[in-house]
Order: sequence, then structure tokens, then C-alpha cells
Amino acid sequence: DAGITQSPRHKVTETGTPVTLRCHQTENHRYMYWYRQDPGHGLRLIHYSYGVKDTDKGEVSDGYSVSRSKTEDFLLTLESATSSQTSVYFCATGTLGNEQFFGPGTRLTVL
Amino acid sequence: QKEVEQDPGPLSVPEGAIVSLNCTYSNSAFQYFMWYRQYSRKGPELLMYTYSSGNKEDGRFTAQVDKSSKYISLFIRDSQPSDSATYLCAMGSGTYKYIFGTGTRLKVLA
Repeated sequence: DAGITQSPRHKVTETGTPVTLRCHQTENHRYMYWYRQDPGHGLRLIHYSYGVKDTDKGEVSDGYSVSRSKTEDFLLTLESATSSQTSVYFCATGTLGNEQFFGPGTRLTVL
Repeated sequence: QKEVEQDPGPLSVPEGAIVSLNCTYSNSAFQYFMWYRQYSRKGPELLMYTYSSGNKEDGRFTAQVDKSSKYISLFIRDSQPSDSATYLCAMGSGTYKYIFGTGTRLKVLA
């Protein structure tokens, strides 16, 4: 089981405030991913990273930014949170063409 | 049409039954297939990973891929109440991107 932690695990915030979610891995995996999970939509890719300082957009990237300054850390930022960003956010890590391992998730509520 | 289709369930079975979970897909480039189990309020846990066609067995779980029909299955033998969870399929073509099904909820009744 990949060592992946996410913080915070729960957060309630107000519309318009910035929010940063953190993912930390101990497996030295090159690839890291941020997904959101919503009923009826399954897991949707927000952003991914293929190396330090190398990131790219996924299918639902609007309103989100990411940064990766170290192999082990991948940050997801909501610059100005909206109610439509209320969701469960999962970080995942992996290697190209191979399995992805998921963290425990962050439950975010935007009021 | 979604790239990956998965029946949402819920699927209810008695303890000890054989469970069949399925996904269909439309992209013939997919070669990597995964099944995850997700308990309520937990992260997805990788159960099975297969490459290309064929079967793979791990304990009570068997993953089957039929690329000609664009159809994958997960079989659970001797199902237990602890198998009650949502099962997600995922597939990719060897790049960074994996497409996930929406999940099938399974309830195994004691």
C-alpha cells in the first residue's frame, strides 16, 4: 500500500476564500494526480504531475491550480472557492502505465 | 456516450454467492485495466491490475478482460459481508490518464 497522506481530511470554508489541499507520498512515485469524486460522475481528473515542477491539466481543471516543488508533495489550490467545488478530493500516485494508488481523501464543503 | 460504462447498482447478493461486476468501454486503445474497492468515506483500494486481455486471479477475485468485446469483469467467489462496498473499474492506454467508471454498489447479505 503506497504511503499517501492528505491534509486536511475535512474542511468547511466559505465562498470566495482560497483553499489549499496537500498530498504527501513516501513511495517516490513520479506521477501524482488530483481527482474529485461526485455522485453520478465518478472520479474525474483535475490536474496531474509527471515530475517536480511538471504539471498539466485534467478534464475538470477550471478554478484549480497545482504545484509540485518536491517529489513527495503535490498541492491543490482553489483560488476562490465556489459551492460547485464542494466534493471529495483524492490524491493518487503511480508510475507511467501502471497502477495508481489513492490517498484517504479530503472532504471539502464550500458554503 | 461515456468512454467507460458501469452499472451503478446497487447489487444485492446473499453471502457465499458468486458476484459478477462489469464495465464496458469504447476506446480500443485501452490496454491497462484496474479494479478498485471503495468503502464508504474511504479512498479507493486497488484490487486487481491487468494488462491486455486474459484472466488474472488473486484469492477470491478474478479479473477478466475481453478486448474484442471491450468488456471487463471482476468475479468475487464466496462473497462475504465485508465485500460490501463500491467497486470501480479504471482503464488506460499507457499514458498518464486513466478513465474511471462511476462504480457499482455491492451489498452482500449475511
